[in-house]
Amino acid sequence: DIQMTQSPSALSASVGDKITITCRASQSIKTWLAWYQQKPGKAPKLLIYKASSLEGGVPSRFSGSGSGTEFSLTISSLQPDDFATYYCQQYNTDAPYTFGQGTKLEIK
Amino acid sequence: QVQLQESGPGLVKPSQTLSLTCTVSGDSISSTTYYWNWIRQPAGKGLEWIGRIYTSGDTKYNPSLQSRLTISVDTSKNQFSLELTSVTAADTAVYYCARGKKFGGWFDPWGQGTLVTVSS
Repeated sequence: DIQMTQSPSALSASVGDKITITCRASQSIKTWLAWYQQKPGKAPKLLIYKASSLEGGVPSRFSGSGSGTEFSLTISSLQPDDFATYYCQQYNTDAPYTFGQGTKLEIK
Repeated sequence: QVQLQESGPGLVKPSQTLSLTCTVSGDSISSTTYYWNWIRQPAGKGLEWIGRIYTSGDTKYNPSLQSRLTISVDTSKNQFSLELTSVTAADTAVYYCARGKKFGGWFDPWGQGTLVTVSS
């Protein structure tokens, strides 16, 4: 299986800050990567697919980049609604799909 | 608007079979564009992909669960189902169903999730 490692595991930031979360794959996954946002008690919500394509309805302050084994999710100016846990997911191989362990974004 | 809804028992005894159904509305499960997936999340932990099914009935399972897992589809009811046998406490989790792009692999949308506890 392809292992996905996110860093940091937790992050404290303030409203208006710019933050970046990194996701590393144990082997090349080209650009077959998605990012999700999850709030407590809720299902994950798709933010980004194909590493950098913004899902419809997702604010433009979210952006994704990367290819191969290194990827990042950037939020350009944090809003109160953005404090949540973020997961990356690879879908390079035809299953099993795997997720990163998550990054919890908290208010400083 | 596509919606998925999980249903099934919230409590299962150890060694028994966990059975869940996902009902899809706003889209046809017979669509050739999507796979239909199960994903789970133990409390306070990360996400684990369980497996998927296509409208034809073709399945793909996570090797870690394959020996205990069956996913099936009922196109007449626009539903797909999960059966996990010989459960233990390690199978306690919130179980989500989700639609996945066939020529992609990302999941959207997801059901709201259902908590299944394995306990005697």
